[in-house]
Amino acid sequence: AQSVTQLDSQVPVFEEAPVELRCNYSSSVSVYLFWYVQYPNQGLQLLLKYLSGSTLVKGINGFEAEFNKSQTSFHLRKPSVHISDTAEYFCAVTGGFKTIFGAGTRLFVKA
Amino acid sequence: AAGVIQSPRHLIKEKRETATLKCYPIPRHDTVYWYQQGPGQDPQFLISFYEKMQSDKGSIPDRFSAQQFSDYHSELNMSSLELGDSALYFCASSPRDRGAGELFFGEGSRLTVL
Repeated sequence: AQSVTQLDSQVPVFEEAPVELRCNYSSSVSVYLFWYVQYPNQGLQLLLKYLSGSTLVKGINGFEAEFNKSQTSFHLRKPSVHISDTAEYFCAVTGGFKTIFGAGTRLFVKA
Repeated sequence: AAGVIQSPRHLIKEKRETATLKCYPIPRHDTVYWYQQGPGQDPQFLISFYEKMQSDKGSIPDRFSAQQFSDYHSELNMSSLELGDSALYFCASSPRDRGAGELFFGEGSRLTVL
């Protein structure tokens, strides 16, 4: 079975500051890892994914994440955030036909 | 590009009524997933279908049932609705050769039970 833990429920940050949203996972099998973003009243949109290969993956909107197998982590980072990045971010792990989501981290970017 | 289509987008029902949500996956995607997202909650996996057969089951109540049809669209049937069923219901699809990789989500169907 898989599980996902997002360590921060809310992350307030000033515009143009860097941000890191933390995600740890556990699984007894090989998994795929994802970050999704959800804007208010909208569906989830894929930011980036790790399937295999390079542990540093780049996604849309300037986000990137690093897969760390030894620490079972997949933290999301952005060097400089914008007001428009304010949203809910979900880390997810897939094994088999099931994708499990973390509880979400609300990123709030302040001017 | 075509996306996942969900209908209806909004639905209001009374307690003990029945509701049906529909999902039309992206063309050539043969795997469909249903998720329930309560207010301020993460999406909870309900059930998935691959090639019209149930492939996995999550926290779906016995009052709910779902199926995938020959054209790959899926329907989620909810009976004896309770107040706690009020939530955003998402459908997602993924393509055949990726197994359970990236999910493509619809905009969701918001169910309100009064």
